[in-house]
Amino acid sequence: QSALTQPRSVSGSPGQSVTISCTGTSSDVGGYNYVSWYQQHPGRVPKLMIYDVSKRPSGVPDRFSGSKSGNTASLTISGLQAEDEADYYCFSYTGNYIDWVFGGGTKLTVL
Amino acid sequence: EVQLVESGGGLVQPGGSLRLSCADSGFTFSSHWMHWVRQAPGKGLVWVARIKNDEISTSYADSVKGRFTISRDNAEKMVYLQMNSLRVDDTAVYYCVTGTGYYYNYWGRGTLVTVSS
Repeated sequence: QSALTQPRSVSGSPGQSVTISCTGTSSDVGGYNYVSWYQQHPGRVPKLMIYDVSKRPSGVPDRFSGSKSGNTASLTISGLQAEDEADYYCFSYTGNYIDWVFGGGTKLTVL
Repeated sequence: EVQLVESGGGLVQPGGSLRLSCADSGFTFSSHWMHWVRQAPGKGLVWVARIKNDEISTSYADSVKGRFTISRDNAEKMVYLQMNSLRVDDTAVYYCVTGTGYYYNYWGRGTLVTVSS
């Protein structure tokens, strides 16, 4: 059971866009449209930012968007703001007897 | 509004046992799958276990299989995680989580489990 692969860190300046990738296999990311993304600030509980690959929960700014191509899902944050600095985790349903897996997490730094 | 409140964390010696509880309020508990997710200090999120709303069907991460047991009581709106044969690397904040689909839109605040001699 392997975690989904994310870059350990990404960075961008205020106003810029950044994209965080999440690579899995055809058994998880590529096999289902059930990828979600979570934002976690230090010492805080994770927050759902994107679900079902590209859907945004109520209250999440439209600066956050999700997509998927093959076995790789992506979270794009446009118009970076200081408060976006956090850890981001992808998560996918896998459909087998061990049916869920997180990515290793990506630390976003706003320069 | 959904509220999940975990309890039962604490300090335990390696090889020991602990039972975590999670109380729900505010939504139709029996309709939703319930999960436990953990986060070791300074590390990432790791899915631990899941139980379907039928109180029967469960699944586990390889790292806890055979040692941890997830259960639920729909009448009491409670979910549990019985943790046996605890190891130092089980040290983490354990979150009770659920959602309205294949994602988690509801998280508890977590309960810290420390395994140390």
